[in-house]
Amino acid sequence: DQQVKQNSPSLSVQEGRISILNCDYTNSMFDYFLWYKKYPAEGPTFLISISSIKDKNEDGRFTVFLNKSAKHLSLHIVPSQPGDSAVYFCAASSIIQGAQKLVFGQGTRLTINP
Amino acid sequence: NAGVTQTPKFQVLKTGQSMTLQCAQDMNHEYMSWYRQDPGMGLRLIHYSVGAGITDQGEVPNGYNVSRSTTEDFPLRLLSAAPSQTSVYFCASSYSERSRGREKLFFGSGTQLSVL
Repeated sequence: DQQVKQNSPSLSVQEGRISILNCDYTNSMFDYFLWYKKYPAEGPTFLISISSIKDKNEDGRFTVFLNKSAKHLSLHIVPSQPGDSAVYFCAASSIIQGAQKLVFGQGTRLTINP
Repeated sequence: NAGVTQTPKFQVLKTGQSMTLQCAQDMNHEYMSWYRQDPGMGLRLIHYSVGAGITDQGEVPNGYNVSRSTTEDFPLRLLSAAPSQTSVYFCASSYSERSRGREKLFFGSGTQLSVL
């Protein structure tokens, strides 16, 4: 069962426009969410995160929005730049009875066109 | 600052062969883990360790062995390679087991493994 889903395998956006990457989760126990960015032939690198006590977190051009009632989060990149072309993974975590669970989505390949 | 170092970057094996993927980190992290990335499947946890001498299974442990004799090193052993183990493997570490899901994981650059 895929507890964290990124339903768009790929997304193509014009340079300068907004990129919106979406992520849905099914487990209501998840209370912390992270986005990772991955370039070809490199490992994923941390991008931004959000706790479930917030509904928005911003870091420069990157903003993550969390809608707990819909179990949905999104990553907004404004404005999009060619260097943003990469695969983006969302991840969700929870701590239940002291045990931590961390689950990754399938990834979305973002291409920024000049 | 090396971070997380994985070797080799590429490997081709024949079915039934064994090999070890190496992982080392120089950040004095307690938590280390191995993931595999497959198309449409995201990153799936194979094995993890919360400190030297302590290891545990993740989501997809079958066919793999790990050990953690030092804080720095966490090798992944394929006992008898199968085509289903063709994948990209990532080693990742974090300060603690708790911080991996609350702060961030540091990933190595990956090992692309093909099993024929």
